[in-house]
Amino acid sequence: DAKTTQPPSMDCAEGRAANLPCNHSTISGNEYVYWYRQIHSQGPQYIIHGLKNNETNEMASLIITEDRKSSTLILPHATLRDTAVYYCIVLANNAGNMLTFGGGTRLMVKP
Amino acid sequence: NAGVTQTPKFRVLKTGQSMTLLCAQDMNHEYMYWYRQDPGMGLRLIHYSVGEGTTAKGEVPDGYNVSRLKKQNFLLGLESAAPSQTSVYFCASSFDLRLSDPYEQYFGPGTRLTVT
Repeated sequence: DAKTTQPPSMDCAEGRAANLPCNHSTISGNEYVYWYRQIHSQGPQYIIHGLKNNETNEMASLIITEDRKSSTLILPHATLRDTAVYYCIVLANNAGNMLTFGGGTRLMVKP
Repeated sequence: NAGVTQTPKFRVLKTGQSMTLLCAQDMNHEYMYWYRQDPGMGLRLIHYSVGEGTTAKGEVPDGYNVSRLKKQNFLLGLESAAPSQTSVYFCASSFDLRLSDPYEQYFGPGTRLTVT
């Protein structure tokens, strides 16, 4: 599976959009980009995933560059409850669906 | 739906003691997983199961055993606990990978284990 690179931490003002970047320059054609988050002491929570096209759901939007070497998770109106560690994971659908959690980005939403 | 539940929530063991952690899911998921998370670290996969009666090793399987006798339950056993096994243990489940798209994993609330 391709490796990912994320900034270790970011701050965001409450009510503003939070844009979390992820680099995955060695991604293969059959690998998806997944985003999870882990709020303090809780189990990780699935947010969104995509292959090529941009995706949106009730939680977030995922923007994948045309060359698929990077992506951005967007939380459109961040709240204090969005403070968490966000993990970007690249995963092929024939890899037994094994999630590998790296360091992630610690997002702090401030009032 | 309760989703994924884990029992117990907390446990303190002495070195050499044994215990079993129980994970249960009510979503009819085929796949189940056990992870551990050490302080300040990401999750690491211990063992997983792709169906009732089947199990496989993950990244850090040593010192643990698992069983999946029923589809809805996945047990993690520590035969002889060691201080290095002090961690938070998360169970997860996911759907059938034979479908065209991969499916997200649903995680339980975790079990905090301390081995003294």
